[in-house]
Amino acid sequence: GENVEQHPSTLSVQEGDSAVIKCTYSDSASNYFPWYKQELGKGPQLIIDIRSNVGEKKDQRIAVTLNKTAKHFSLHITETQPEDSAVYFCAASNQAGTALIFGKGTTLSVSS
Amino acid sequence: KAGVTQTPRYLIKTRGQQVTLSCSPISGHRSVSWYQQTPGQGLQFLFEYFSETQRNKGNFPGRFSGRQFSNSRSEMNVSTLELGDSALYLCATCPGNTGELFFGEGSRLTVL
Repeated sequence: GENVEQHPSTLSVQEGDSAVIKCTYSDSASNYFPWYKQELGKGPQLIIDIRSNVGEKKDQRIAVTLNKTAKHFSLHITETQPEDSAVYFCAASNQAGTALIFGKGTTLSVSS
Repeated sequence: KAGVTQTPRYLIKTRGQQVTLSCSPISGHRSVSWYQQTPGQGLQFLFEYFSETQRNKGNFPGRFSGRQFSNSRSEMNVSTLELGDSALYLCATCPGNTGELFFGEGSRLTVL
């Protein structure tokens, strides 16, 4: 079955710096790759997603890149702010909206 | 925005007992997915229901079961509880064709 590896497990940056989180997946049939942000005491919330027919997607300070050949995708956050501090999860699925396989998560800390 | 209500938010059980958790998606949303979140294993897919039918199932033992009612409310049951079942159980709905999952805040189960 699908396996998703996520690195790093923790990431500390200064406010204004960029943060990059990387994930690899094993199942070449996966075609949907979302990123979720989880704040303390809350459920995960989708921040951006990408499908396998696209190589890059941006939404303001957040971008995701996908390399299907290498089976890896990355989350890029620019101009980080303290409110970006949270746990970020990557995920993969061969059908959007169901049976997501998540990475173990990255705890991002942004200090001002 | 879609919403999911999970009850109870917190509960404590002892080994060998059974537990039932409830999830109510916002009216009209017919899909419900369940995930288990633990510090060691992260987010793991349990099962998904759509219009009262189980559409997908993760790799969990038969002690974990679920169902969905005609009003889209879903329940999951864990029998013969083990210490390792202590986790945050998250429910999510996927209301549209985008693939975005909307998570509830979860039910935190502690098994003593």
